[in-house]
Amino acid sequence: DVKVTQSSRYLVKRTGEKVFLECVQDMDHENMFWYRQDPGLGLRLIYFSYDVKMKEKGDIPEGYSVSREKKERFSLILESASTNQTSMYLCASRLAGGIETQYFGPGTRLLVL
Amino acid sequence: QKEVEQNSGPLSVPEGAIASLNCTYSDRVSQSFFWYRQYSGKSPELIMSIYSNGDKEDGRFTAQLNKASQYVSLLIRDSQPSDSATYLCAVENRDDKIIFGKGTRLHILP
Repeated sequence: DVKVTQSSRYLVKRTGEKVFLECVQDMDHENMFWYRQDPGLGLRLIYFSYDVKMKEKGDIPEGYSVSREKKERFSLILESASTNQTSMYLCASRLAGGIETQYFGPGTRLLVL
Repeated sequence: QKEVEQNSGPLSVPEGAIASLNCTYSDRVSQSFFWYRQYSGKSPELIMSIYSNGDKEDGRFTAQLNKASQYVSLLIRDSQPSDSATYLCAVENRDDKIIFGKGTRLHILP
């Protein structure tokens, strides 16, 4: 059974703060993803990673960075949080090269004041 | 053209009836198709995957795929109030990336 966990379910931060969102998967998946989801906009891909220390920009990388130092862990960093980064953040992982799909973590609801 | 399109809804269906959710996709070479269910405030949960033309049944759920028409659907039989959620269609494209539709909100009327 695939398990993807995220460090926080709810987070409240102030504008300008540095924010770390962590994601851990226990299925040895190569691929990991960070999305944000906003009403009416669907899932939007921020960054993804195909392997340790590798990262690729998604559709909306501005204002975000990521880190993948270990295979099981993928971190999303908001260098200086802004109110327009208030959103639901979803991490997902996927086995590379197969036909399986992505599995999501429970999500982190971030409020930036 | 958007890669994966779904009607946003809401789709209202009486309890006990069949709910029919539809999705079209643009990449003709797509081979893998998925349906996720997402309850309000929760993350998407995989409920069905389909890879071949035709129907695939799992309990009250049936996924239908027509690659010639680039169309995939999800039928929910004997709809229950607990089926009220947003349903996301997802398609693996030629770059091996999973592309998500924006989802259809389904409301089962008691």
